Amino acid sequence: EPEVTQTPSHQVTQMGQEVILRCVPISNHLYFYWYRQILGQKVEFLVSFYNNEISEKSEIFDDQFSVERPDGSNFTLKIRSTKLEDSAMYFCASSGWGDTEAFFGQGTRLTVV
Amino acid sequence: AQRVTQPEKLLSVFKGAPVELKCNYSYSGSPELFWYVQYSRQRLQLLLRHISRESIKGFTADLNKGETSFHLKKPFAQEEDSAMYYCALKDAGGTSYGKLTFGQGTILTVHP
Repeated sequence: EPEVTQTPSHQVTQMGQEVILRCVPISNHLYFYWYRQILGQKVEFLVSFYNNEISEKSEIFDDQFSVERPDGSNFTLKIRSTKLEDSAMYFCASSGWGDTEAFFGQGTRLTVV
Repeated sequence: AQRVTQPEKLLSVFKGAPVELKCNYSYSGSPELFWYVQYSRQRLQLLLRHISRESIKGFTADLNKGETSFHLKKPFAQEEDSAMYYCALKDAGGTSYGKLTFGQGTILTVHP
């Protein structure tokens, strides 16, 4: 069964450094998402991406965040200058045309020290 | 603004007992409601959605628009049901491109 895969599973970075979280969505999917979950809190929507552009973003998704689909298969989330409060589990998800089910990756745990 | 509330962070039952995980929502538009489950060390996966009206692994959930609820029920809990359960809402009629709003999650523990 096709799956969304995320790398790395755990990333530790120093405050102020840039990080790139990578995702490979299911191959025929058209909609891509990033969510995050700070420890002990709910899963929060960050951004959705369709047709090579951001379709919606939350207020969390400020100028420090960016997404791109550089090669038609990978979908990346970049945090330009990480802060301690960016420490969280980041989930990538994808969904297909007309299909309301979103398939989630296993998550990347980002720890900012 | 849309909001999903799961009032119980933790729920413990014994095997064979009925279980109900509560979910309430607030949304002015036309929502689609989902239950996602996350077993230990595994990814979030869809359990069921209200539009399909299916029963998955013995779980059912009915959308009650009057009470704005979408409670998850199972008549006889099994130990393998122990997991984190998330209720989620999506705008069915808008242009949110599939954005999901999640509740806080409920950890269900089924004791032998």
